[in-house]
Amino acid sequence: EVQLVDSGGGLVQPGRSLRLSCTASGFTFGDDAMTWFRQAPGKGLEWVAFIRSKAYGGTTEYAASVRGRFIISRDDSKSIAYLQMNSLKTEDTAVYYCARPAFGRYMDVWGKGTTVTVSS
Amino acid sequence: DIQMTQSPSSVSASVGDRVTITCRASQGISNYLAWYQQKPGKVPKLLISAASSLQSGVPSRFCGSGSGTDFTLTISGLQPEDFATYYCQQANSFPYTFGQGTKLEIK
Repeated sequence: EVQLVDSGGGLVQPGRSLRLSCTASGFTFGDDAMTWFRQAPGKGLEWVAFIRSKAYGGTTEYAASVRGRFIISRDDSKSIAYLQMNSLKTEDTAVYYCARPAFGRYMDVWGKGTTVTVSS
Repeated sequence: DIQMTQSPSSVSASVGDRVTITCRASQGISNYLAWYQQKPGKVPKLLISAASSLQSGVPSRFCGSGSGTDFTLTISGLQPEDFATYYCQQANSFPYTFGQGTKLEIK
């Protein structure tokens, strides 16, 4: 079964850091790009970050709202994608989902989400 | 950034009705558009990719169409399990952006 399990969320103070993990199974992780989204309470979906497969250079893309603060990475040997979140702000409070983008574009597999709350 | 505008923001309908949701892109995106369904407290589910390609396992009452800047999602013969929020997403270029969502409610 193709599956993503996201984890690492929690309560953190503004300005601190947190690292989310997305553990994949059921498919060849290294062949696929990976991406992170978030959804603030009662709000819509927001794309956060994207990482290409090594075959496409492993390069990354970021939403303007997180660029310079968040870092997406991957460990293909462990089938895990990460989202390192630094200098967290209260507006980063959301459920964070990792997803597999089919053809690099359409999110056909999603993790169940992990909740990040940034508050003092 | 490409802005995605969905309408309506909410719609009430009855079981068996036909509903159409529209999504307009601020610039042409060819057919790089997806539709997702999200139920409260649940993960988004991909319904349609490439504007009109139905995902495996998605009922045929869901139909997507359009290209360029104007797209539609039509649900024919609404079923109780279809009441949810629907989002369009452009996949033409980064940053990937979503419409604000359309909440489909039971009348």
